[in-house]
Formats: sequence, structure tokens, C-alpha cells
Amino acid sequence: QVQLQESGPGLVKPSETLSLSCTVSGYSISSGYYWGWIRQPPGKGLEWIGRIYQNGSTHYNTSLTSRVTISVDTSKNEFSLNLNSVTAADTAVYYCARVGKSRPFFEYWGQGILVTVSS
Amino acid sequence: QSVLTQPPSVSGAPGQRVTISCTGGSSNIGAVYDVNWYQQLPGTAPRLLIYGNSNRPSGVPERFSGSKSGTSASLAISGLQAEDEADYYCQSSDSSLSGYVFGTGTKVIVL
Repeated sequence: QVQLQESGPGLVKPSETLSLSCTVSGYSISSGYYWGWIRQPPGKGLEWIGRIYQNGSTHYNTSLTSRVTISVDTSKNEFSLNLNSVTAADTAVYYCARVGKSRPFFEYWGQGILVTVSS
Repeated sequence: QSVLTQPPSVSGAPGQRVTISCTGGSSNIGAVYDVNWYQQLPGTAPRLLIYGNSNRPSGVPERFSGSKSGTSASLAISGLQAEDEADYYCQSSDSSLSGYVFGTGTKVIVL
């Protein structure tokens, strides 16, 4: 059974960098699929942030591309999200998920982690 | 700013049938891209409900069905149950944005 688990600080100061990790169990990241991040501001809808492939190839939401970096560590079977220069508008629940290459839907999701941007 | 538009809410009595629309454009639903649907119960992560326009993952009840036509898609829930009260999101890909896009979300209210 594929499982994903987000981890990282729940509070980040404005202008600093939000850093989260997603640990995958039950499946090897090296075996394929894209691995992505999605966020959901409190009371609002879902927004795709970006994705990464096992070889490190990335693709980001055009609205966030200047501030986002996603990386992968296949030895730890985890991938990470960095979002810099955060503001209150980046306060959200952040989810990691697995998405297919030829089947572009989010099949497995982490439980989500709330990150609040506040001083 | 979502490019896929859904009604904010739909409601129905137990046992009734409700439908949720998802309207896009020529760069997403109207192109070659499939539509997927997710159910989000309060306080939980979204769960894949329908993929590839009309396919149900294992474990999803048959009363959930999906369809796509032109630049729109629909999710139907027949035999509505109290446990179906949740938020529902459509999702597709978009060639103009070169990525994945989600709908605005619809809250299903069971009367």
C-alpha cells in the first residue's frame, strides 16, 4: 500500500522559506510516477504547486515558478518542497501526492500539513 | 484563480440524484485531457473518486459516475447518502498553463 507523509515546521515567518518533506512508503520513488505538491488555503480550493520525476525533472505552476523548488532524494525515498519569500497568502494545508505520467490524476495523497505564515 | 468552474453547492435529500458540473475551455477539458474527480470529507485529504472521465477506482461505490462532453464534465451521485456530504473537486490538465488545474469546488449538502 502506497503511503505518503508530509513533515516540516507548522509556522514560518514572512519573507522566509517554507520547507517540507514527503516520505513515501510502500513504493519506490525510483520506480516511476511523478510526485507532486498541492496546497489548500483555509476554507478555499486546491492549487497544484508542482511535480518532480525520479530523475529530478521538475515542472511548476506558472504562478509560483519563481519561488518554488522541488527536489527528490531517492536514497531516502522522499521528495521536498521549498517555497521562498512567503507571505500570509501562502498559509495553507500542503499535500504531497503521487500522479501518473500517462494517467495524470492524483491517486495517493498524504494527510496534509498546515503551514501558517506569521511573525 | 481556477480555470475550471463548479457550482458552489448542490443539495439533495437522501436517495435522490445530484449532479455537479465542471466547466472549462479549449485548453483543458475541451482539448484531449481527461477529467478526474475528488471527494474531500471535512478535515481530510482529497480522495480520488473518478479518473479518466468515467472510471471508478477500486472501492468507490457504483452510485458515483462521471462523464465528459465538449468543454464540460459532470459528476453524478445517485442514491444520495448522508456520508456523501463533502466537497468535490474536478481536475484536468491545461495546455496553456502547462500543468494540472483543479475546479473551484462544490459542497454537496444532504438535506
